[in-house]
Amino acid sequence: DADVTQTPRNRITKTGKRIMLECSQTKGHDRMYWYRQDPGLGLRLIYYSFDVKDINKGEISDGYSVSRQAQAKFSLSLESAIPNQTALYFCATSSPVGADTQYFGPGTRLTVL
Amino acid sequence: GENVEQHPSTLSVQEGDSAVIKCTYSDSASNYFPWYKQELGKRPQLIIDIRSNVGEKKDQRIAVTLNKTAKHFSLHITETQPEDSAVYFCAARFSGNTPLVFGKGTRLSVIA
Repeated sequence: DADVTQTPRNRITKTGKRIMLECSQTKGHDRMYWYRQDPGLGLRLIYYSFDVKDINKGEISDGYSVSRQAQAKFSLSLESAIPNQTALYFCATSSPVGADTQYFGPGTRLTVL
Repeated sequence: GENVEQHPSTLSVQEGDSAVIKCTYSDSASNYFPWYKQELGKRPQLIIDIRSNVGEKKDQRIAVTLNKTAKHFSLHITETQPEDSAVYFCAARFSGNTPLVFGKGTRLSVIA
């Protein structure tokens, strides 16, 4: 779905580095989410935001922080990356109007060496 | 806390056969149950969903059934085709202001 974009799409970094993953959406949705996907573990929620002034921790927030710069932008930061943060990261958006269906971005593959 | 269990984790079927994936949820107040399909290297995409006031919903070869008493819901794919091969995720929403909780996924392989 081209309405939700993520940058970068791939990133290789070293242990201890600070990394920011960015998500932008043109769907006009108020709600945005960051998920992490690891093989066999499904989609685990890191943080979510229901509007610009709302930030909530998810299931696995330790080691991560987020910033909701605008309705359309939601960034995920790893302050000091570690190898077990190597994963596929997805941003998603939804609107509480209707079914609140979540739409995912294309994903960012992060490798921490 | 809220939990969604999904089974099986892997499933192989012959082309043309049916596939069934089952999920159970923990909170009887859950009201929305979507299913997502994730093809290799792609993002998860919604394929069908059901609300708690409906027992069954169909869309061509896929259907979802919901048993609120037993707190489980299932995805049924009939006449499977190779392009149905993917990872399927179920999810549940436990209240209007909580995010979806996802199952761990089922890797479906359709063998031609």
